[in-house]
Amino acid sequence: SQTIHQWPATLVQPVGSPLSLECTVEGTSNPNLYWYRQAAGRGLQLLFYSVGIGQISSEVPQNLSASRPQDRQFILSSKKLLLSDSGFYLCAWSVGDSQYFGPGTRLTVL
Amino acid sequence: AQTVTQSQPEMSVQEAETVTLSCTYDTSESDYYLFWYKQPPSRQMILVIRQEAYKQQNATENRFSVNFQKAAKSFSLKISDSQLGDAAMYFCASGEETSGSRLTFGEGTQLTVNP
Repeated sequence: SQTIHQWPATLVQPVGSPLSLECTVEGTSNPNLYWYRQAAGRGLQLLFYSVGIGQISSEVPQNLSASRPQDRQFILSSKKLLLSDSGFYLCAWSVGDSQYFGPGTRLTVL
Repeated sequence: AQTVTQSQPEMSVQEAETVTLSCTYDTSESDYYLFWYKQPPSRQMILVIRQEAYKQQNATENRFSVNFQKAAKSFSLKISDSQLGDAAMYFCASGEETSGSRLTFGEGTQLTVNP
């Protein structure tokens, strides 16, 4: 069966510091991968998606970036965090039309 | 571009009773999918049910069923025999075949189940 991992689960970072969130998927090949952000009490905003290694599409221009160095690894990064980057970050995968989500990372920028 | 609207920010239901959550969507595509996700306090997003737009038959998963009205672009979720564990935020989402399975989410409905 397929599983998806995200780490860290919780992160507190100062403004201006770098960020690296990692997502890995097990039990499937060639998945589509997605990064979403969720503000408190709100819906999900798609940030990036990838259909293959090195292929990244950005949905929202901002100071975040994504990379896919391996088939089942998806990384969300920032060189300098802003206060507005605080939120809950969710990674998801799909093979076909349904998406399955990881446990998420709660990021607080102080 | 797709839009998904959930007009009920909060709903409540008595345990063992039935509740219906509303969702409307807008899309220019003829081939698309619709989903309901559940987000409990742990914040893990859990796929509850999916519907393919080309299928007229409403999807059912145990106590969860949908009422898909394609012409009205409506996709409601019915939860029968509500249980305390059903308490969560519920999100409606749509995805278009031509967009690499990207999903557009509504703002969610917070469901409370009263004992």
